[in-house]
Amino acid sequence: QSVLTQPPSASGTPGQRVIISCSGTTSNIGNKFVDWFQQFPGMAPRLLIYRSDRRPAGVPDRFSGSKSGTSASLAISGLRSEDEAFYYCAAWDDKLSGPWVFGGGTRLTVL
Amino acid sequence: ELQLMESGGGLVQPGGSLRLSCATSGFTFSACRMGWVRQAPGKGLEWVASINQDGRERPYLDSVKGRFTVSRDNSKNSLYLQMNSLRVEDTAVYYCARVDWYYGLDVWGQGTTVTVSS
Repeated sequence: QSVLTQPPSASGTPGQRVIISCSGTTSNIGNKFVDWFQQFPGMAPRLLIYRSDRRPAGVPDRFSGSKSGTSASLAISGLRSEDEAFYYCAAWDDKLSGPWVFGGGTRLTVL
Repeated sequence: ELQLMESGGGLVQPGGSLRLSCATSGFTFSACRMGWVRQAPGKGLEWVASINQDGRERPYLDSVKGRFTVSRDNSKNSLYLQMNSLRVEDTAVYYCARVDWYYGLDVWGQGTTVTVSS
């Protein structure tokens, strides 16, 4: 069982906006940044959002992250078929020496 | 181009050992913390271990403490994971990742598969 809680699945039609939630506690999300990763089957994870709401270079601005209290969200607007993948949230501490905790992952289906 | 390349995975019997390696290029390895993350078949991601720049700070997942050892060779730009007393539940794809102080787990290798089975 994962420390962070995500819905196992989400879906949307092309062009729609989809939101994936991630729930934690004051010991992780409540006091730490949240990262989001995208993973296609058989591939390595890719950093999608860091420090809760920032996008690395090359990530489309259709992807956005937010955090409030002990929960975080990943929003994907203008959904595209190539967004169909698994999405994982993770929380880390600012010393970068302690453990990361991950969510169980959300499988996004584009209908 | 930033690159991480894992190797050393394979099939091993319960109680056996394996040593994973992660060769890196395209960045100043000695200036970066590094980590190992694993993914069991059909499951989510799980952080395993990290190591700081000089190798003195090495936190581990509780279930691997005393069995796994993370190390690095800054002269070879390489990261290692020595896995002893392997268990069936250690079966997973093992990824090495760069731990950037600002971006977090920002660069990942392609993974190497470890299968523990009799």
